[in-house]
Amino acid sequence: EAGVAQSPRYKIIEKRQSVAFWCNPISGHATLYWYQQILGQGPKLLIQFQNNGVVDDSQLPKDRFSAERLKGVDSTLKIQPAKLEDSAVYLCASSLASYNEQFFGPGTRLTVL
Amino acid sequence: GNSVTQMEGPVTLSEEAFLTINCTYTATGYPSLFWYVQYPGEGLQLLLKATKADDKGSNKGFEATYRKETTSFHLEKGSVQVSDSAVYFCALVDSGGGADGLTFGKGTHLIIQP
Repeated sequence: EAGVAQSPRYKIIEKRQSVAFWCNPISGHATLYWYQQILGQGPKLLIQFQNNGVVDDSQLPKDRFSAERLKGVDSTLKIQPAKLEDSAVYLCASSLASYNEQFFGPGTRLTVL
Repeated sequence: GNSVTQMEGPVTLSEEAFLTINCTYTATGYPSLFWYVQYPGEGLQLLLKATKADDKGSNKGFEATYRKETTSFHLEKGSVQVSDSAVYFCALVDSGGGADGLTFGKGTHLIIQP
């Protein structure tokens, strides 16, 4: 069974530029999560989707971050414009449904210069 | 709000030593508790979990017991191996509401020397 796929694996941008990350969850998984992991800290939830609906985006900085899951499968997370403090690893996870085991992708490492 | 506190690392042990990584939590509801592990160059993966008080989660020789009275979920292993070297994260999910994003601690880097 294929795991959670993410791309790109690495991205370097200048501050004030925009960037987008892509996630393909495990087939059949209805729930998808985006987490931000800053160096030396644990992952922090940004947004949770159930199919194509948002369940929780209370920690998403909505002035610069956006996410969508239009067809209830793949998801994209966008940052526009990026700030230095957005440098982090962005993790995507999926689960069959809420309160099931979450499976994590390899992450996208973002460096903002 | 919810939070998880775990011991700072790195923790360096010799092979076959006894391991304890402390984890305490604060939650508004009745949480489920987890330990995740991240091996070098790999993604996060679930190590073990417990969903109610006094439950013991176990996997790969690791154990942790859900202690509601002390709000703790300490990770233990009787005899560690070099292959256990990794970063370990304690995490919780609060109960109810449908939103089950994990709240993680900062992680503990474990180094096992041969």
